[in-house]
Amino acid sequence: AQKITQTQPGMFVQEKEAVTLDCTYDTSDPSYGLFWYKQPSSGEMIFLIYQGSYDQQNATEGRYSLNFQKARKSANLVISASQLGDSAMYFCAMREGQSGGGNKLTFGTGTQLKVEL
Amino acid sequence: SAVISQKPSRDICQRGTSLTIQCQVDSQVTMMFWYRQQPGQSLTLIATANQGSEATYESGFVIDKFPISRPNLTFSTLTVSNMSPEDSSIYLCSVEFPANTEAFFGQGTRLTVV
Repeated sequence: AQKITQTQPGMFVQEKEAVTLDCTYDTSDPSYGLFWYKQPSSGEMIFLIYQGSYDQQNATEGRYSLNFQKARKSANLVISASQLGDSAMYFCAMREGQSGGGNKLTFGTGTQLKVEL
Repeated sequence: SAVISQKPSRDICQRGTSLTIQCQVDSQVTMMFWYRQQPGQSLTLIATANQGSEATYESGFVIDKFPISRPNLTFSTLTVSNMSPEDSSIYLCSVEFPANTEAFFGQGTRLTVV
């Protein structure tokens, strides 16, 4: 079974609108972390936001927020007030186990976001 | 945060040759990770590199094809050996720190094998 599932290969959003990128995950480890990365066409991986499995509140970082629904095993990324520069590939990833424990990230297949005027 | 310098940023190589990719971190880290991203695909872990020990390879990746060096706590190299067009990918190194939740990535090496 896929550990990270992103069901939206591509998404379009109008500039200044909000957009939600979906991510569901599968793990039996009670300790895990969820990440969102942005990958522009240059190829670099830009960290956006992190949610720990024990965090009580949803993570927020500027225009990015993570809608964490633990019972449903979902960790959707919400981008508010979209900008043209947000056009990129977005990856959801999970790390099982404790932070700093040297555990790998498992990535979803990504969602290509296109922001339109 | 961490500054990770990865070289080269891109290269075009002939099949049958080898390329060594360097990853330099501005602070000491225990674990360094090497990922591959094939065209249009997601990232897949190749191996985990610990200083002073053999790298740990994921299923489907072998040391003869992807030898890794980790001579100290700030530096690692990944070699892509005997390249074929199927090795055309972006290769990325990544690090994490014990007290930090974020995984940091280098800028990536875009490799094209012709």
